[in-house]
This record gives sequence, structure tokens and C-alpha cells, in this order.
Amino acid sequence: KNQVEQSPQSLIILEGKNCTLQCNYTVSPFSNLRWYKQDTGRGPVSLTIMTFSENTKSNGRYTATLDADTKQSSLHITASQLSDSASYICVVSDRGSTLGRLYFGRGTQLTVWP
Amino acid sequence: EADIYQTPRYLVIGTGKKITLECSQTMGHDKMYWYQQDPGMELHLIHYSYGVNSTEKGDLSSESTVSRIRTEHFPLTLESARPSHTSQYLCASSERRTGINEKLFFGSGTQLSVL
Repeated sequence: KNQVEQSPQSLIILEGKNCTLQCNYTVSPFSNLRWYKQDTGRGPVSLTIMTFSENTKSNGRYTATLDADTKQSSLHITASQLSDSASYICVVSDRGSTLGRLYFGRGTQLTVWP
Repeated sequence: EADIYQTPRYLVIGTGKKITLECSQTMGHDKMYWYQQDPGMELHLIHYSYGVNSTEKGDLSSESTVSRIRTEHFPLTLESARPSHTSQYLCASSERRTGINEKLFFGSGTQLSVL
């Protein structure tokens, strides 16, 4: 069964600290993995997209890694800011139709305290 | 910032009422999607469209219907709202361009509460 599991479910860190969010998936055949940031009451916004051949991709203070062999990805946030408080969603696409079927994780709820 | 808009942002309505959730995008995207999201849960695809006059049901069984008469507009209608329809509804769009870099743009969502 194709699934995307994220951990931890929630995380609280102090402003300025780093953190790492995890994503494990069983989706096959794999096409790409995306990380989205979703602020409360808003729609998700894309942070990174990685394919099978990419093992790291950065977007400012966000760095995503991908190990396609172990089917694991992580999102590392450096020097956290209050505005980083949000849900971070891992989305995996299979090599199906045009966009591919998207499998969503339940997200990690990150809270950054001052 | 994505140019995709959803109205209303919040809607509280009584059981049995007919409602339409609006979604419009100004990016000229062919593909549009409706997702349903409950708190702490993953997004579920309920409808999608690959262009004008194209509509398909998604993975999650839904009593809603959609239409795509114009490229920029993809409204979702519930003929008779029930408390089980209480959820957040997210609209998204993407370009026709195929491949791994196809990017989804989401609206801000409509939070629906059916009493």
C-alpha cells in the first residue's frame, strides 16, 4: 500500500534553533518528492521538489534531503524564525499519469517559540 | 504568491442547504483540483479537471459536483449540505506542462461548517 508517514507529529523549538523533520514513504514507482509549508488557515506552499536522482535541495533556510534507496526524506530548517511556525507536509508522486498520483503525509506541526 | 482565489474563506450553513464554493485562477492553468482536508489529516483529492469541459472524480468519495465551463473557474457544489461535509476545502491549479517539475499552486481554502 502506498503511504507517506511523517514524524514527529508535532514539534516545539525555540527561535534560532535548528530542527529536522522526517518523511518515510512506500510509494512505488517513485517519481518525485515535495515538501510544502502550510500556515494555519492557508493553502500549502511549495518549498522543494526532488526527483530520484537528487539527494539534496535547498530553498533559503530550508534544506531537503532524499534517500531513494531507503525511501526516506528529511527537511532541515536552520536558524528557525517565528514565521516558520506551520505544518510541513511531505508529498510523494508516483510515475503514473501526467502529474502522477500524489500521496500526502499528515504533516508535522512545527511551533517556534520566542 | 499564487494567483488562485477561493471564496468564501469561511462558511457556516444549516443542514440541507445548497452551497457553491468558488475557485478562480488567473495564471491560465489548464489543470485544477479540489482537495478536502480535516485537521491533522492528509489532503484527499475529491475532483480534478484537465481543462474546459473536463471533470473527473478523485480518490475520496464525495457527494459534491464540479464544473469547468471556463479555464479560470472551477466551482464546487454541494446540493444538500450535511454535518459530515464539515471540513476545509482547498482548490489548486497547475500548468499543462508535464513532468516532474509540475508545480501545484493552492488557494487559501474554504472552511465549511455545517450545523
